[in-house]
Amino acid sequence: QKEVEQNSGPLSVPEGAIASLNCTYSDRGSQSFFWYRQYSGKSPELIMFIYSNGDKEDGRFTAQLNKASQYVSLLIRDSQPSDSATYLCAVNIDSGTYKYIFGTGTRLKVLA
Amino acid sequence: KAGVTQTPRYLIKTRGQQVTLSCSPISGHRSVSWYQQTPGQGLQFLFEYFSETQRNKGNFPGRFSGRQFSNSRSEMNVSTLELGDSALYLCASSLLGKSSYNEQFFGPGTRLTVL
Repeated sequence: QKEVEQNSGPLSVPEGAIASLNCTYSDRGSQSFFWYRQYSGKSPELIMFIYSNGDKEDGRFTAQLNKASQYVSLLIRDSQPSDSATYLCAVNIDSGTYKYIFGTGTRLKVLA
Repeated sequence: KAGVTQTPRYLIKTRGQQVTLSCSPISGHRSVSWYQQTPGQGLQFLFEYFSETQRNKGNFPGRFSGRQFSNSRSEMNVSTLELGDSALYLCASSLLGKSSYNEQFFGPGTRLTVL
């Protein structure tokens, strides 16, 4: 069973701090990795994707990938109360199709 | 450009009934994937369709089936409903036929309650 693991949280950080969200995956052949944000009662929306080892930055968000350790993370700088949501890590385990395995998500609370 | 639409948004059924959910992808998108989301299990992959062909299937019983039409619209069907089928069913569409890091756009979901 190919798995994606996330700490369910909640992860509480003060406004303006850096939030660090982590995800591990079991399939070494995984090619691409995605972070989705899901507000309560809403559908997931993509924040970032990453497929090469290292860091990828987009505004306040940085995704980090370490394929040797099978680890992907998302950093949110200058966290805002509006960032409070559940963050889902997704791994594409079949590069020819859109078969994604999702983690169960980490609930982030940014305290004003 | 209109986003992914799903109908109906809410559905209440009783055990043993069957249900059909519909998904219209973003115009021009040819790949449609279906997911089941529950509080305990999170988002679980059901199946993916591209050009009317099922390309991949998750670990769900045969009661869950789907299809895609020539206009890329997709339906999923669940027969002999069980209480455990109560969930949010999400459809996602993607532009390209091959996953080359293109994102999936999710619809608002259909909330199914089985009584």
